Amino acid sequence: NAGVMQNPRHLVRRRGQEARLRCSPMKGHSHVYWYRQLPEEGLKFMVYLQKENIIDESGMPKERFSAEFPKEGPSILRIQQVVRGDSAAYFCASSPTGAGSADTQYFGPGTRLTVL
Amino acid sequence: AQKVTQAQTEISVVEKEDVTLDCVYETRDTTYYLFWYKQPPSGELVFLIRRNSFDEQNEISGRYSWNFQKSTSSFNFTITASQVVDSAVYFCALSEGGSSYKLIFGSGTRLLVRP
Repeated sequence: NAGVMQNPRHLVRRRGQEARLRCSPMKGHSHVYWYRQLPEEGLKFMVYLQKENIIDESGMPKERFSAEFPKEGPSILRIQQVVRGDSAAYFCASSPTGAGSADTQYFGPGTRLTVL
Repeated sequence: AQKVTQAQTEISVVEKEDVTLDCVYETRDTTYYLFWYKQPPSGELVFLIRRNSFDEQNEISGRYSWNFQKSTSSFNFTITASQVVDSAVYFCALSEGGSSYKLIFGSGTRLLVRP
């Protein structure tokens, strides 16, 4: 019973490059959430997606960040033209149902992004 | 506004001691959910417990217990007879009924259990 999978676990990028973070939810889960954890801080909500739909992206920076969860394949968090301030751990979580049900979110191992 | 406060930044205990991690929350909703997650040194986030606002019954799971008190807006976590493997950062989180998918995390408490 595989849990939430994220890859890569560690990603190093130079300023101005693009970062692509992948998340495969747990089997049977169709709701995906992305959170960001800055050093020594708690996690902050970024975006909530269902298959082919963005439900809530209120926590995501307006520029350079985008997320998708296609019909087939993993959810992708994309950061364009990365800056040093983007260095953080990015966690993906999934749940079987979503808004209104308060399902428990199960988290992946995270991707640690370092921007040089 | 919703907020979760974990005032203890770091706690250090000796193995076999009991330790309590505090969590105080703020919300205007009457329906909400509280969670605890553990983040061991390896970095992943491990779900420990979920509690809804209508269930104030305390819970015990092995060496772990949780004390939910609505009167003081607290959801404290106690580890009995701590072990070195309990060393981790522990996060308390809140989600409200209306937007229950959006977890609001506290800043975490780092627990160090020394042999």
